[in-house]
Amino acid sequence: DAMVIQNPRYQVTQFGKPVTLSCSQTLNHNVMYWYQQKSSQAPKLLFHYYDKDFNNEADTPDNFQSRRPNTSFCFLDIRSPGLGDAAMYLCATSRGGREGGQFFGPGTRLTVL
Amino acid sequence: AQSVTQPDIHITVSEGASLELRCNYSYGATPYLFWYVQSPGQGLQLLLKYFSGDTLVQGIKGFEAEFKRSQSSFNLRKPSVHWSDAAEYFCAAINIYGNKLVFGAGTILRVKS
Repeated sequence: DAMVIQNPRYQVTQFGKPVTLSCSQTLNHNVMYWYQQKSSQAPKLLFHYYDKDFNNEADTPDNFQSRRPNTSFCFLDIRSPGLGDAAMYLCATSRGGREGGQFFGPGTRLTVL
Repeated sequence: AQSVTQPDIHITVSEGASLELRCNYSYGATPYLFWYVQSPGQGLQLLLKYFSGDTLVQGIKGFEAEFKRSQSSFNLRKPSVHWSDAAEYFCAAINIYGNKLVFGAGTILRVKS
């Protein structure tokens, strides 16, 4: 089945220790998104790639970076995690355009100690 | 600015009862609207979408939604709720560029037996 896969599902890191979250897709979608979701809140868009074009949200902290080495994979790098970065991180994909909607992965729950 | 409002933070219904979750949008152009469901610790699953045509759209898991332009609403309904429907539900609209979902704050559904 075509899908969006996130690894790991649970990640524990220490304050200030860099961490990388992974997303892969078998949908062959052009667009890949990273969202941060804190408890009882809606997902907040951090950035997205349209093919190789990177689009950062204006309020995304510099601490958050992303890489998309190919169509299938996209990574979220948190350079120096703080306690406030503990959250669920969701990856999503879409074909681009308005009609299709976005398809979400299961998320990675990040804990910062 | 585009916005999506879900007026109810929590809703509790009895198993077997009917359900309606409210969603209002503020949008200058033709809205493209979505409903997603999120079970605890999981990603978002697309229930249904509307962008044109019949204003009553059918989705997965027995859900439907009706688009009412005069009321700027896109309410989600289900005739008979099952305990497994307990989750958080997000209404969302896509922006005019097709690259960003605007989410409502979400409604948490509790199902009592």
